[in-house]
Amino acid sequence: QKEVEQNSGPLSVPEGAIASLNCTYSDRGSQSFFWYRQYSGKSPELIMFIYSNGDKEDGRFTAQLNKASQYVSLLIRDSQPSDSATYLCAGNTNAGKSTFGDGTTLTVKP
Amino acid sequence: EAGVAQSPRYKIIEKRQSVAFWCNPISGHATLYWYQQILGQGPKLLIQFQNNGVVDDSQLPKDRFSAERLKGVDSTLKIQPAKLEDSAVYLCASSFLAGGLQETQYFGPGTRLLVL
Repeated sequence: QKEVEQNSGPLSVPEGAIASLNCTYSDRGSQSFFWYRQYSGKSPELIMFIYSNGDKEDGRFTAQLNKASQYVSLLIRDSQPSDSATYLCAGNTNAGKSTFGDGTTLTVKP
Repeated sequence: EAGVAQSPRYKIIEKRQSVAFWCNPISGHATLYWYQQILGQGPKLLIQFQNNGVVDDSQLPKDRFSAERLKGVDSTLKIQPAKLEDSAVYLCASSFLAGGLQETQYFGPGTRLLVL
């Protein structure tokens, strides 16, 4: 079992819809969680991070964390074709070690 | 502010050859990471430096991979000898410190390695 699990997808949503991306983790030493977006052939770029239980909103993006269930999610509202990418979930320990999932590929259809 | 720099961007070698990658982190960032990203997978941490000391190299195949960060600034990652399964993108990332809840890693453009 991988330490960070994501559905590989592809996840396809119509433009303007809400895209929901999910991630589960097994290492209870993970304290904070990061969502990265990676376009094909490019390096990961940070979308947002979360370390407290509950929701955190940043523009069209909302991250949700449930430590009891070891579950992290990312919601993208009003999805745009430019959101089409692979979304990586990563868990960080207090020592700064990051463990990445294999990513979920999102396609937003115009 | 300049980002993380990596070179070369692309490299094609034959198996059993050696190759080296270079990374220059964001100025002032104490922590430097090397990741291997195989197509269709997430980045896998190879080694993490804090200044010029190694914090984590548990997933570095030490029989063929080596890395150093002299003077706590730029870093090189070497593979010798290369195998076919080493074909991947090698990503360098840096962060100001390590371990903070909000500590963000910034990635370089990566080096694409193809081993024939």
